[in-house]
Amino acid sequence: DSGVTQTPKHLITATGQRVTLRCSPRSGDLSVYWYQQSLDQGLQFLIQYYNGEERAKGNILERFSAQQFPDLHSELNLSSLELGDSALYFCASSDVGGTEYGYTFGSGTRLTVV
Amino acid sequence: AQSVTQPDIHITVSEGASLELRCNYSYGATPYLFWYVQSPGQGLQLLLKYFSGDTLVQGIKGFEAEFKRSQSSFNLRKPSVHWSDAAEYFCAVGAQRYSTLTFGKGTMLLVSP
Repeated sequence: DSGVTQTPKHLITATGQRVTLRCSPRSGDLSVYWYQQSLDQGLQFLIQYYNGEERAKGNILERFSAQQFPDLHSELNLSSLELGDSALYFCASSDVGGTEYGYTFGSGTRLTVV
Repeated sequence: AQSVTQPDIHITVSEGASLELRCNYSYGATPYLFWYVQSPGQGLQLLLKYFSGDTLVQGIKGFEAEFKRSQSSFNLRKPSVHWSDAAEYFCAVGAQRYSTLTFGKGTMLLVSP
């Protein structure tokens, strides 16, 4: 157990729908990162939050949004889902010096859009 | 922008043989470098990291990696591979202390008996 909790583990939904993925960071970590992993694109950085505020943005679609709450858990919202959004979505967390010590990853949420 | 290249998509190694997985990065200064391992159905686990000091770093599970500035490389090695090492390995780079990590596309390690 890495200490980063992601729910749900699996999600199957239809095109056009909206889903919410949840992440609880490791105790003491202030930063949360979301990554999308697909066979063709590999691991793509989506967005980072630090202590409730957006810190960095990567290749995140406008249909996707995220937030980090006061208790530091984070949610990734995916809307108007398309078949191509099927992927493994990882959450990772780190303390303030994330790059120096690396990230701790959760086990991921596998999203299947049908 | 920082980038990472893992030239080998798949590598097959016999159990007990040595292993070297290649990683090349593109960044002017010395970046923060990492190797992660992902077993099927699992998240990524940090094997080792480098950002300064001794260019040969030791990690968990008997892995080591060597930073070579002249070659912009950070190759992962293990002297004797075990069947349980079969997994996908990712190299990652962070340009600065507070930048996000960029990952390579991964190398799948297969271990033959």
